[in-house]
Amino acid sequence: GEDVEQSLFLSVREGDSSVINCTYTDSSSTYLYWYKQEPGAGLQLLTYIFSNMDMKQDQRLTVLLNKKDKHLSLRIADTQTGDSAIYFCAESTTGSGNTPLVFGKGTRLSVIA
Amino acid sequence: GAVVSQHPSWVICKSGTSVKIECRSLDFQATTMFWYRQFPKQSLMLMATSNEGSKATYEQGVEKDKFLINHASLTLSTLTVTSAHPEDSSFYICSANGGETQYFGPGTRLLVL
Repeated sequence: GEDVEQSLFLSVREGDSSVINCTYTDSSSTYLYWYKQEPGAGLQLLTYIFSNMDMKQDQRLTVLLNKKDKHLSLRIADTQTGDSAIYFCAESTTGSGNTPLVFGKGTRLSVIA
Repeated sequence: GAVVSQHPSWVICKSGTSVKIECRSLDFQATTMFWYRQFPKQSLMLMATSNEGSKATYEQGVEKDKFLINHASLTLSTLTVTSAHPEDSSFYICSANGGETQYFGPGTRLLVL
């Protein structure tokens, strides 16, 4: 079955770059997503990447996709204390909003001032 | 655009009562909405897929008579937790089909005493 794995914790100093990693098992994954969840809140879509792309950059966020290794990463440049949150990797095999996403367990990012 | 709201955001109820949670897509129509449940420090667990005008599809292990889902319009899905018990206490999050991805509501925290 589909499975998405993430490391559970990451701690970085303010101003440094954060890299959150994710691996997935389903080779037919079409879209891969990164969501951010702040304490007590819902999920905020940060960015997503199509499987035919290797990289996507959006301001401080850079997503890298290694389809051969089924590895996805999210890099946050100049990490700020406001970036402290849980980051979920998720995948979809259809790229359609009609099918549910498969989520990883989330990586808790702590930013030290 | 692509805003999903949930109401209420917080609810505390006595054991045995029923609680209704609403999920609305505010500026778009969604033929499909999803209901997830999240336990503390855990990932999102898909409970059911809600399709406008038809019966919901429940995931294995989710009691359909306990978690009633109604998707009566293209902008509203409701989840009713019937005869709630303390073990139903959780964070319930809905998402709505927004084309290539899903947009999540802010979540509803349910506490059953």
